[in-house]
Amino acid sequence: SQTIHQWPATLVQPVGSPLSLECTVEGTSNPNLYWYRQAAGRGLQLLFYSVGIGQISSEVPQNLSASRPQDRQFILSSKKLLLSDSGFYLCAWKRIMNTEAFFGQGTRLTVV
Amino acid sequence: AQSVTQPDIHITVSEGASLELRCNYSYGATPYLFWYVQSPGQGLQLLLKYFSGDTLVQGIKGFEAEFKRSQSSFNLRKPSVHWSDAAEYFCAVLDNNAGNMLTFGGGTRLMVKP
Repeated sequence: SQTIHQWPATLVQPVGSPLSLECTVEGTSNPNLYWYRQAAGRGLQLLFYSVGIGQISSEVPQNLSASRPQDRQFILSSKKLLLSDSGFYLCAWKRIMNTEAFFGQGTRLTVV
Repeated sequence: AQSVTQPDIHITVSEGASLELRCNYSYGATPYLFWYVQSPGQGLQLLLKYFSGDTLVQGIKGFEAEFKRSQSSFNLRKPSVHWSDAAEYFCAVLDNNAGNMLTFGGGTRLMVKP
């Protein structure tokens, strides 16, 4: 069966520090991968998606970047965090031709 | 562009009472619609989905939703709410323009009174 792992679960980082959140999927190949952010009291905003290794599409301009170094690995990064980067980050995957998406358990990022 | 609106940010119901969470979508073609639930600090779990056919779809945990094209709605219902249903609920539509991914509504936080 397929599983998705996301870590760390919680993270507190100072303003200006770098960020790296990792997401890996097991049990499938060539998945579409996605990063969402959920700010406090708000819905889910799609940040990045990837349809293949090295292929990254950004949905909104921001302080973050994403990379896909391997087929089932998706990384969310920042060189210098801002207070506004605080939120709950969710990684998700789906098969290209399927409609259902599967989500990780999320990472709660607090920038102080 | 596709969009999803959940008009109710917070809803409180008594345990055992019925529940309806509203969802309205904007989409040019026949939509693929979803309801997800998120427990505090957790990821999202799929409750149910609609692609075509019967407009009343059944999901897990006793939830159902009805697709009404004339109203552009996909409301989630449950006849009798349990305390464990307290969570945040998200309606979503499949967006072929965003990597074939889901566009979510703002969510509705459900609280259940004993």
